[in-house]
Amino acid sequence: EVQVLESGGGLVQPGGSLRLSCAVSGLTFRSYAMSWVRQAPGKGLECVSGISGSGGSSYYADSVKGRFTISRDNSKNTLYLQMNSLRAEDTAVYYCAKTTTVTMSGASDIWGQGTMVTVSS
Amino acid sequence: DIQMTQSPSTLSASVGDRVTITCRASESIDDWLAWYHQKPGKAPKLLIYKASSLQSGVPSRFSGGGSGTEFTLTISSLQPDDFATYYCQQYNNYPTTFGQGTKVDI
Repeated sequence: EVQVLESGGGLVQPGGSLRLSCAVSGLTFRSYAMSWVRQAPGKGLECVSGISGSGGSSYYADSVKGRFTISRDNSKNTLYLQMNSLRAEDTAVYYCAKTTTVTMSGASDIWGQGTMVTVSS
Repeated sequence: DIQMTQSPSTLSASVGDRVTITCRASESIDDWLAWYHQKPGKAPKLLIYKASSLQSGVPSRFSGGGSGTEFTLTISSLQPDDFATYYCQQYNNYPTTFGQGTKVDI
């Protein structure tokens, strides 16, 4: 059974940093692209970043470009999101999602339970 | 970025109803479109990918159609478990983008 488990969320002050992790088990991790999708309280879904199976390609939403960095360690079956210069508008549940393909052009078929990030003083 | 617009934003329906949700893209995305539903406090669940392909384990009452810029999700006979918020997502271009959601309630 495939399992996706996020961690690292919490309360952080504006301007601060946080690193999210996503541990994946039950599949050949390097064979699938991954993404981070967030959902602000009461709002819709926003894909903030994605990365190919090899880690050689990635993309970012304009709202986080230059502040967030996605990475993966295929030897540890783990996806990361380094979030710097956090703003109040980054407050959201952050989901880790597995893509159906090794490239970034795929739907997301398996999602974690989400981790809450709150940016507030 | 490609903008995705869903209609309606809210849909009131009853068990057994046939319901259709529309999703429009700001430019052609061929058939690189997915549909998800989400219940409060839960992660989204993939229903349809590549516009019309049913995800494994998803009931056959769900169907998707369309290509280019206009797409539909149809539930042939609404069941109690289907009351949720539905999202479309394009994955033709990066970053992938979602519609604003359609809430299906009683």
